[in-house]
Amino acid sequence: DQQVKQNSPSLSVQEGRISILNCDYTNSMFDYFLWYKKYPAEGPTFLISISSIKDKNEDGRFTVFLNKSAKHLSLHIVPSQPGDSAVYFCAASRDNTDKLIFGTGTRLQVFP
Amino acid sequence: AAGVIQSPRHLIKEKRETATLKCYPIPRHDTVYWYQQGPGQDPQFLISFYEKMQSDKGSIPDRFSAQQFSDYHSELNMSSLELGDSALYFCASSLHGVGGLGYTFGSGTRLTVV
Repeated sequence: DQQVKQNSPSLSVQEGRISILNCDYTNSMFDYFLWYKKYPAEGPTFLISISSIKDKNEDGRFTVFLNKSAKHLSLHIVPSQPGDSAVYFCAASRDNTDKLIFGTGTRLQVFP
Repeated sequence: AAGVIQSPRHLIKEKRETATLKCYPIPRHDTVYWYQQGPGQDPQFLISFYEKMQSDKGSIPDRFSAQQFSDYHSELNMSSLELGDSALYFCASSLHGVGGLGYTFGSGTRLTVV
């Protein structure tokens, strides 16, 4: 049973435009949501997170939105840069000591 | 800054052989997590340790075992290897209570079973 889902396996965006990556979850016990970025042959790198008490968190070009009623979160990258090209994983946990449950990832390609 | 070190980076084993993967967490991190990522799949949680004790267990086969040692490094032992065990194995470390916000992943060990 996939508790965290990323329904778009890939996304292609022009440099300078906005990239929107989506993630849905099914477990209402999740309280923390995170986005990780992964390059080939490297481990996932933490990008940004949000707790369930908030609906938005921003860090530079990256903003994560959380809609608890819809069990949906999204990552906005603006402006997108070619260096953002990577696989992005959404992850969730029940509390800040719990394991992470990952989605299947979305491969983002930013072209000039 | 020191990161999570995993060794070896690549490993090729034959079916029914045994493999040992090692993970050296960031200094002062007391929690280690192991994940398995098959081709085109999401990382699947295997097992975690906090202060040298198993803290949680996920979809880890009985053929696998793991432990965390007194210096906090961890080893994942895999026996009777099967073709389906071919995957990327990630280790992550954190400071207990910081959880996902403080997860740092290693670069992974790519295991190929032939």
